[in-house]
Amino acid sequence: DAGVTQSPTHLIKTRGQQVTLRCSPKSGHDTVSWYQQALGQGPQFIFQYYEEEERQRGNFPDRFSGHQFPNYSSELNVNALLLGDSALYLCASSPSVSSYEQYFGPGTRLTVT
Amino acid sequence: RKEVEQDPGPFNVPEGATVAFNCTYSNSASQSFFWYRQDCRKEPKLLMSVYSSGNEDGRFTAQLNRASQYISLLIRDSKLSDSATYLCVVRNAGNMLTFGGGTRLMVKP
Repeated sequence: DAGVTQSPTHLIKTRGQQVTLRCSPKSGHDTVSWYQQALGQGPQFIFQYYEEEERQRGNFPDRFSGHQFPNYSSELNVNALLLGDSALYLCASSPSVSSYEQYFGPGTRLTVT
Repeated sequence: RKEVEQDPGPFNVPEGATVAFNCTYSNSASQSFFWYRQDCRKEPKLLMSVYSSGNEDGRFTAQLNRASQYISLLIRDSKLSDSATYLCVVRNAGNMLTFGGGTRLMVKP
């Protein structure tokens, strides 16, 4: 049973560019959350998707957007990249939107130069 | 002020020692509480949930004091493999998890 998978593993982008990160949830899970973890800090909640809609959002600007597909996989898009967007981006899936259990993927490490 | 605060450490302890981590949270409406473990350059993994009555899982004991908005984790008989960052986590309305900055533990031989 595959856990949460994310791609790519690492990514290097230049300021001003756009990036798309991908996440496939654990089998049987329908809810996906995205977190940003800067070096030396704890993860910060970006948003959560369920039934292809954004259900909750953390304190992140509109440059951060997402999407969930009918197969429950999800994308995180970041436009107009800033140096401060360099971080580990973690995807977590839950068996339902009401479940507090969250299983994290290995993350995508984004470096903005 | 951060919603979940932890001492970043590092806590350097010898094998076999007992070590305790504390965490405070500011939102009195927080509903659920957890400790996650994160190894270097890996994803966070749930270590244990924390209940008001206190709960134990092997060498790990977690306590919650809602009145003081304080959460603790006690690790007995530390092993080298316990070296990691321990993240205090609260869940508010919905399923948004709010993480503390983490406490780094280094267990030395």
